[in-house]
Amino acid sequence: SQQGEEDPQALSIQEGENATMNCSYKTSINNLQWYRQNSGRGLVHLILIRSNEREKHSGRLRVTLDTSKKSSSLLITASRAADTASYFCATDPLGSSNTGKLIFGQGTTLQVKP
Amino acid sequence: DGGITQSPKYLFRKEGQNVTLSCEQNLNHDAMYWYRQDPGQGLRLIYYSQIVNDFQKGDIAEGYSVSREKKESFPLTVTSAQKNPTAFYLCASSIYTFGGNGYTFGSGTRLTVV
Repeated sequence: SQQGEEDPQALSIQEGENATMNCSYKTSINNLQWYRQNSGRGLVHLILIRSNEREKHSGRLRVTLDTSKKSSSLLITASRAADTASYFCATDPLGSSNTGKLIFGQGTTLQVKP
Repeated sequence: DGGITQSPKYLFRKEGQNVTLSCEQNLNHDAMYWYRQDPGQGLRLIYYSQIVNDFQKGDIAEGYSVSREKKESFPLTVTSAQKNPTAFYLCASSIYTFGGNGYTFGSGTRLTVV
């Protein structure tokens, strides 16, 4: 069951520009997380935002959460070629019986051109 | 260095053969998860375990089996009943506390049917 839908599916920008990715989900959540995946590798946890938070920052990353619209966005500022990767949102659904199961979206592929 | 180790990195399976993917963590995490990723797709949950000697089916458990005899280890067996096993398999672990935490992922095993 796919919970998150990400938009756009692919994004290509120049180094130094900002990249914005969006995630929409269907059911109420405990928290929403963003992960990065370099080609052929495992996922790396970037940031977690809880349902009672609206915005969170980590270095060049800014995440917002709008629970009324069931959506989140990830902003990467001053992008670098090394940011080239796929980015996934994942939701921890409310009422998941504290299993810790996450439901992942299909991801946004970001290409940052030097 | 704490982390999750998946082995092998590449695995080839003949038709009708069972194969086992290894996942070991030294993070002292209670919860462990197996996900399957198909090309250009998000992650789908196969099995998860919150505690030793207990595990639960995820969304696509048919044709797979797991065991959790030790906290550190959560091997996945892909049986001959899995008709389309070619995919990238990712193991993850987490300390699950109320409010959630991020996953730590292994580097994955790419399974190909030959």
